[in-house]
Amino acid sequence: EAGVTQSPTHLIKTRGQQATLRCSPISGHTSVYWYQQALGLGLQFLLWYDEGEERNRGNFPPRFSGRQFPNYSSELNVNALELEDSALYLCASSLRVNSNQPQHFGDGTRLSIL
Amino acid sequence: GENVEQHPSTLSVQEGDSAVIKCTYSDSASNYFPWYKQELGKRPQLIIDIRSNVGEKKDQRIAVTLNKTAKHFSLHITETQPEDSAVYFCAASKAKAAGNKLTFGGGTRVLVKP
Repeated sequence: EAGVTQSPTHLIKTRGQQATLRCSPISGHTSVYWYQQALGLGLQFLLWYDEGEERNRGNFPPRFSGRQFPNYSSELNVNALELEDSALYLCASSLRVNSNQPQHFGDGTRLSIL
Repeated sequence: GENVEQHPSTLSVQEGDSAVIKCTYSDSASNYFPWYKQELGKRPQLIIDIRSNVGEKKDQRIAVTLNKTAKHFSLHITETQPEDSAVYFCAASKAKAAGNKLTFGGGTRVLVKP
């Protein structure tokens, strides 16, 4: 069974540009989560999508946004990039049921802002 | 919101010894507590999880204990091996209605010396 896949692996941008990161969940998973892992720091929750809807977001500015497609894949968009946006962006997926389900992570996209 | 504290930040043990990592959480409504292992340059990998209706769970050399009253949970690794060297993250989550987001501890870097 294929795991969570993310693309691209690396992304280099300059300040003010826009970045798009992509995630394909494990087959059968309908929930997709995005986390930011800045260097030396833990994982910070960004966004949760399920059944095509944004269900929850973390303490990040509105320039972090995304969407989920009918096939449950997801995009994370970051506008007006700032130097502090440099981080590893991790996507996770899970089944969506009425109780917590384990989240499984992809390899991440390393975003570098020059 | 939920806050998860993790200690120690670094842990060095001799091969064959035990390692213990402790986490405390602030929200008494949290009911799901996974642990992730992240090797250098790799994705966080779920190694064990526990729900609030269980006090202890074991999987081979790994065990997790949960004390709901004190709001803390711990990871125990016995007979450590060099391949256990990694960063370990604890996390806490509430039920679906609260967003399913994981709140992570700051991580523990474990080094197993041969």
